Amino acid sequence: AQTVTQSQPEMSVQEAETVTLSCTYDTSESDYYLFWYKQPPSRQMILVIRQEAYKQQNATENRFSVNFQKAAKSFSLKISDSQLGDAAMYFCAYRSDTGTASKLTFGTGTRLQVTL
Amino acid sequence: EAGVAQSPRYKIIEKRQSVAFWCNPISGHATLYWYQQILGQGPKLLIQFQNNGVVDDSQLPKDRFSAERLKGVDSTLKIQPAKLEDSAVYLCASSLGGRGRGQFFGPGTRLTVL
Repeated sequence: AQTVTQSQPEMSVQEAETVTLSCTYDTSESDYYLFWYKQPPSRQMILVIRQEAYKQQNATENRFSVNFQKAAKSFSLKISDSQLGDAAMYFCAYRSDTGTASKLTFGTGTRLQVTL
Repeated sequence: EAGVAQSPRYKIIEKRQSVAFWCNPISGHATLYWYQQILGQGPKLLIQFQNNGVVDDSQLPKDRFSAERLKGVDSTLKIQPAKLEDSAVYLCASSLGGRGRGQFFGPGTRLTVL
């Protein structure tokens, strides 16, 4: 079974600075997808960024980018120019690409605080 | 485009009572998921539907939890009877299906069992 580990329960960053959230995963599969979701206090899970395992190029979405190291099974999220609205729980998630089952396996999350 | 709708947003019940949650996915999304998120943890899949058929219910406590998706659109998740450990946020998500498609989540229902 796949597992996702987020070793940082909490992180803090000053506004306009850069922060990196860590994620590692364990799988024996070669084709899969990785995601970062943001969950603000409203509880709505919002997709931040996704990465296909077969792509070597790291995904970017505006201020958000990932560092995907397939051999090391590492998938970190970098937030540049942090804003107060970035404060939330961030979850790393894994999705298999085999068969019709497509559940997301989530890590335990990292709470990001953004300070002035 | 309307998002995933869920109701109610909050529910408080006594243990051994029953409760039902409702989810309306994004129009056209064939795949629907129910996740349970216990405080301090990431969401855990309870059940996945593809249209009105069950794809994965391996982590659904079938002695007390049931779910259905009639006509392949709306879905209901029921707990009967509820236990204290069922206190959690229940998230519904939907997806178009297919390779790598992202899942879109609803606002969730926060259940408190007293």
